[in-house]
Amino acid sequence: DAGVIQSPRHEVTEMGQEVTLRCKPISGHNSLFWYRQTMMRGLELLIYFNNNVPIDDSGMPEDRFSAKMPNASFSTLKIQPSEPRDSAVYFCASSLFGGGVNEQFFGPGTRLTVL
Amino acid sequence: AQTVTQSQPEMSVQEAETVTLSCTYDTSESNYYLFWYKQPPSRQMILVIRQEAYKQQNATENRFSVNFQKAAKSFSLKISDSQLGDTAMYFCAFMKRSSGNTPLVFGKGTRLSVIA
Repeated sequence: DAGVIQSPRHEVTEMGQEVTLRCKPISGHNSLFWYRQTMMRGLELLIYFNNNVPIDDSGMPEDRFSAKMPNASFSTLKIQPSEPRDSAVYFCASSLFGGGVNEQFFGPGTRLTVL
Repeated sequence: AQTVTQSQPEMSVQEAETVTLSCTYDTSESNYYLFWYKQPPSRQMILVIRQEAYKQQNATENRFSVNFQKAAKSFSLKISDSQLGDTAMYFCAFMKRSSGNTPLVFGKGTRLSVIA
């Protein structure tokens, strides 16, 4: 099992540019979560999907952020335009629901730096 | 809304000693799960241990155990025989139990340093 795959691992961009973060969940998992980690705010949920359907996007900070899950094996998080305050580590996690404890498996994260 | 509080931003422990990390939470839910995650410098989030709120017995995983006090809404992590590899950030997390998956709510974390 390859685990949750995120790309890129590191991204450095300039303010105003579009940034796209990618996530491939574990095969067979039917829930996907995007979290953001910063020193000030810690780990916070941005959005999550069940069966490719967005369930809760209340954590998405602004309209500059958007997320899609076109199929069960791929999701994107887009920031357009990016700002320095978006600098953070972005984690994708996936899980399988259907009884029992629904452990979330995390990807390695994408460290985003907006200059 | 649920909140998770970790009151110890940083802790240190001598190698081979025992250390306890504190976590309290606030919720009106009756069915939920609690977790401890470890984040080493590699930043990978690793599940350490989990507790189902309806179980009275405290969870244990090798050198890691929890003290779950449901009435007090407390969920501490005890690490026995601390090893240098235990040096990491530790996050306490809450998950509401539901028919579908729900997100984790994290505390701010405790940075643990194991000293040789």
